[in-house]
Amino acid sequence: GAGVSQTPSNKVTEKGKYVELRCDPISGHTALYWYRQSLGQGPEFLIYFQGTGAADDSGLPNDRFFAVRPEGSVSTLKIQRTERGDSAVYLCASSLTGQGTEAFFGQGTRLTVV
Amino acid sequence: AQRVTQPEKLLSVFKGAPVELKCNYSYSGSPELFWYVQYSRQRLQLLLRHISRESIKGFTADLNKGETSFHLKKPFAQEEDSAMYYCALSPTGANSKLTFGKGITLSVRP
Repeated sequence: GAGVSQTPSNKVTEKGKYVELRCDPISGHTALYWYRQSLGQGPEFLIYFQGTGAADDSGLPNDRFFAVRPEGSVSTLKIQRTERGDSAVYLCASSLTGQGTEAFFGQGTRLTVV
Repeated sequence: AQRVTQPEKLLSVFKGAPVELKCNYSYSGSPELFWYVQYSRQRLQLLLRHISRESIKGFTADLNKGETSFHLKKPFAQEEDSAMYYCALSPTGANSKLTFGKGITLSVRP
């Protein structure tokens, strides 16, 4: 069966550019999470979706970061005016309901801002 | 605020030796604790969670609320246990977002 899929696997962009990172969760999973993992750190929570709505976006670092999930399945993380400090691995996870159910992670997108 | 502390970055042991990966947490309520593992070139995956009280791949972890710890243990390490291990916390009954520690690399030598 298909797991959580993230595309692209790698993205190199110039400082100041706009990027979009895509996440395809496991079919039927209503909960979707984005995390960011910097070098030498554990994943840090960014945003949580329950269905189409962002139930918790308290981890987004600033207003350059935005995420959507318009149909309650695929999600896109959008970063405007990228900075070198945005370089990290962006992880997506999904779970069946979000209430105590196991989170399954994608392989991540490695973003490098040069 | 919730925090997970993994005090060591690297643990290197010989095959057959016991393993203990330390994890301490701070949280004002009643948390749920997890261990996640990432093998080389694989995605992050759940190893075990404290509420299930299971032994997975020979690993166990006991939640000690008095010491706010959730150490991961295995009596006899195997080479295939070499991986990155992350301890994580989630508030019970909430949206299950995870707070992770920095992780520890376990290296099991032959």
